Amino acid sequence: EAGVAQSPRYKIIEKRQSVAFWCNPISGHATLYWYQQILGQGPKLLIQFQNNGVVDDSQLPKDRFSAERLKGVDSTLKIQPAKLEDSAVYLCASSVVGTAIYEQYFGPGTRLTVT
Amino acid sequence: AQSVTQLDSQVPVFEEAPVELRCNYSSSVSVYLFWYVQYPNQGLQLLLKYLSGSTLVKGINGFEAEFNKSQTSFHLRKPSVHISDTAEYFCAVTFFSNTGKLIFGQGTTLQVKP
Repeated sequence: EAGVAQSPRYKIIEKRQSVAFWCNPISGHATLYWYQQILGQGPKLLIQFQNNGVVDDSQLPKDRFSAERLKGVDSTLKIQPAKLEDSAVYLCASSVVGTAIYEQYFGPGTRLTVT
Repeated sequence: AQSVTQLDSQVPVFEEAPVELRCNYSSSVSVYLFWYVQYPNQGLQLLLKYLSGSTLVKGINGFEAEFNKSQTSFHLRKPSVHISDTAEYFCAVTFFSNTGKLIFGQGTTLQVKP
């Protein structure tokens, strides 16, 4: 089966610009996660969707970050305006619901550099 | 608050030697435990998981981990490493809930030398 797809793989922007990342989860996976991985740290959950509803966005900086998952399939994460500290890899993951929810499948990530 | 600590940021080891990557967690409730591996410029891949049952868990690529509730640890081991095991390894926990939210440790870089 196809894995989690993300694009772009790399993005370089200047501070105060905006950027968007796209994720397409594994077919049939109702749960979708966005993580931020800063260099030298473990991934940190930004937002979790189940179908097209938000389950957890407690660590999403809502003044500049937004995310949507229209139709419960693919998702977009946006940053506007970007700051230097947003430089990181943004990982998307998906899983099924039920007892297998804990097994998350990760995409390759988008590496964002803010200059 | 729940947290995960990986005790070593880097572990250098020679090829065919055994290795142990250490992970401790802090939680007032029961947890599920995971180890993920991340190869350069790739996403994370699940190595193994502990949900219940036997405290010794076997995963892919010859890795295993042992859950120790009294010491709140979940150390990852491999009896003989290969050059291809060079990667970043992350320990993660989630709590008995239906959300699947993972909390990750800081990661351990395993450097296998020839």
